[in-house]
Amino acid sequence: NAGVTQTPKFRILKIGQSMTLQCAQDMNHNYMYWYRQDPGMGLKLIYYSVGAGITDKGEVPNGYNVSRSTTEDFPLRLELAAPSQTSVYFCASSDYDRVTGYTFGSGTRLTVV
Amino acid sequence: LAKTTQPISMDSYEGQEVNITCSHNNIATNDYITWYQQFPSQGPRFIIQGYKTKVTNEVASLFIPADRKSSTLSLPRVSLSDTAVYYCLVGDKGSASKIIFGSGTRLSIRP
Repeated sequence: NAGVTQTPKFRILKIGQSMTLQCAQDMNHNYMYWYRQDPGMGLKLIYYSVGAGITDKGEVPNGYNVSRSTTEDFPLRLELAAPSQTSVYFCASSDYDRVTGYTFGSGTRLTVV
Repeated sequence: LAKTTQPISMDSYEGQEVNITCSHNNIATNDYITWYQQFPSQGPRFIIQGYKTKVTNEVASLFIPADRKSSTLSLPRVSLSDTAVYYCLVGDKGSASKIIFGSGTRLSIRP
């Protein structure tokens, strides 16, 4: 029972490069989320999805894109990376009524130089 | 959106009971209150969730007064391993976009 799996764990990007952060869950959860966490701060919602084929913006969506082609996977795409996107990115999933709350992945630490 | 206010930090000692209070004055009728724990370099972990009165599980208790404008997370007999950041979240269970993480409370436990 893996829960929420994120890859890679660490990545260094140069300004202007692109990359995809992978997220997969094996709990058959309908809801999936992407958050970013800057040092010493709380989590900010980037994008979320309520099911395959349905995504919507959160608090800080600029510079990111997502897709949800299957229930299990929810990749986050960074286009034209900027230093302001240096952060730790967490993917999470939950069932519809969040009885047991969100289940978070272990995070991807991204540095843009 | 229901905004939450928590103390920025708290200190306590091993074996003590720790109570962290969260204020959520504009909580809506359908909102639930959920607490998470986060250790450094890890994602937050669900602790407890409640709607009103008292909820207890194997790790914590959650006290919610009748007006639901605040809630208190109670950690009994804390240990050094309880040193973490604790987040209080308020939101409708069925609405993903309305769940906001604040800055949390940084709890430090001393020997």
